[in-house]
Amino acid sequence: SQQGEEDPQALSIQEGENATMNCSYKTSINNLQWYRQNSGRGLVHLILIRSNEREKHSGRLRVTLDTSKKSSSLLITASRAADTASYFCATDEDTTSGTYKYIFGTGTRLKVLA
Amino acid sequence: SAVISQKPSRDICQRGTSLTIQCQVDSQVTMMFWYRQQPGQSLTLIATANQGSEATYESGFVIDKFPISRPNLTFSTLTVSNMSPEDSSIYLCSAGLLYNEQFFGPGTRLTVL
Repeated sequence: SQQGEEDPQALSIQEGENATMNCSYKTSINNLQWYRQNSGRGLVHLILIRSNEREKHSGRLRVTLDTSKKSSSLLITASRAADTASYFCATDEDTTSGTYKYIFGTGTRLKVLA
Repeated sequence: SAVISQKPSRDICQRGTSLTIQCQVDSQVTMMFWYRQQPGQSLTLIATANQGSEATYESGFVIDKFPISRPNLTFSTLTVSNMSPEDSSIYLCSAGLLYNEQFFGPGTRLTVL
């Protein structure tokens, strides 16, 4: 099952513009992570934001988290062609065995046009 | 951050055979997971690899089809048994410390003929 739904499913923008993608999830979380995946390759970890944090920055990336709405957003500023990739959010879900597992959202395919 | 390697990176297999994928982490980690990703799709969790005990499988995945081992804190294997073309996919290993960043291996691209 997928914990997160992301929108839009696909996004096409011009180089230099900002890109915003959203993730909604269903249950309470300890943290949420964002990943990038270039075509046919492994996932690159971008940012982890904890449930007691509201905003986090890393370079041109800005992540927000609203636990009351069970949603998060990833903003990429001044986009570049190299940002073209799929972006996924992943949320932790506690298990009955006392640990957790990460469930991934549906993903957003970003295309940045030069 | 943890560096994760997977072997093989890709393979083409015949129907009915089995393939074992290895996942090696360069540091001790608490959690290790195995995922499957169909082309153009998101990641689906197969199971949590538990150190020294049986893996915890997600709905739709069973031990007979996807046996998993995790003999220590840095290594795990996933076997895809009695393969069919429907098993063609990318298989990914991830690892991390409890409630911290989870990192991914480069994946194993499997094609079953």
